[in-house]
Amino acid sequence: DGGITQSPKYLFRKEGQNVTLSCEQNLNHDAMYWYRQDPGQGLRLIYYSQIVNDFQKGDIAEGYSVSREKKESFPLTVTSAQKNPTAFYLCASRDRGGKPQHFGDGTRLSIL
Amino acid sequence: AQSVTQLDSQVPVFEEAPVELRCNYSSSVSVYLFWYVQYPNQGLQLLLKYLSGSTLVKGINGFEAEFNKSQTSFHLRKPSVHISDTAEYFCAVRISIQGAQKLVFGQGTRLTINP
Repeated sequence: DGGITQSPKYLFRKEGQNVTLSCEQNLNHDAMYWYRQDPGQGLRLIYYSQIVNDFQKGDIAEGYSVSREKKESFPLTVTSAQKNPTAFYLCASRDRGGKPQHFGDGTRLSIL
Repeated sequence: AQSVTQLDSQVPVFEEAPVELRCNYSSSVSVYLFWYVQYPNQGLQLLLKYLSGSTLVKGINGFEAEFNKSQTSFHLRKPSVHISDTAEYFCAVRISIQGAQKLVFGQGTRLTINP
């Protein structure tokens, strides 16, 4: 079945460490997105990519980095510069045209 | 800037009762609206969307929503809820910036169904 796979489901990070969240899709979608979800705040856009080797900052990009070397993969790195990284992170992808976004099942990141 | 406001953070209802989850948006251009549902520790699943045409949109799981341009609203309704409808619901508007399509989400409404 086609879909979006996020791994791991739960992730723990020590203070000062970088950590990378994986997002893979086999839907052949061009666009991919990373969101951060905090209680009572809905989803906020971190980064998005419309095509391979291209990406743009979203509303809360500080302390995060991404790459898009392959169409199916859009990993997110939470750097030590992100002072409050504890959150639920969701990856999404979208086909061309007016199609809606499809979401993965998320990764919950916690600080030890 | 375009924004979405979900007027209720939590909505408790009894099983088999009707429910309405409210959503208002601000937009000065053509509007594309969505409702997503999120079950605990999962991603978002599309319930329904409004792109154009009929203002009454039917979605999955018996939900429907009505686009009201004059009131800038897109409220979600279900005539009779089930325990399995307990989840968080998000309203979103799609915007286009420099050729890129992005979603702006509301804060979410937690729907709790009581037996």
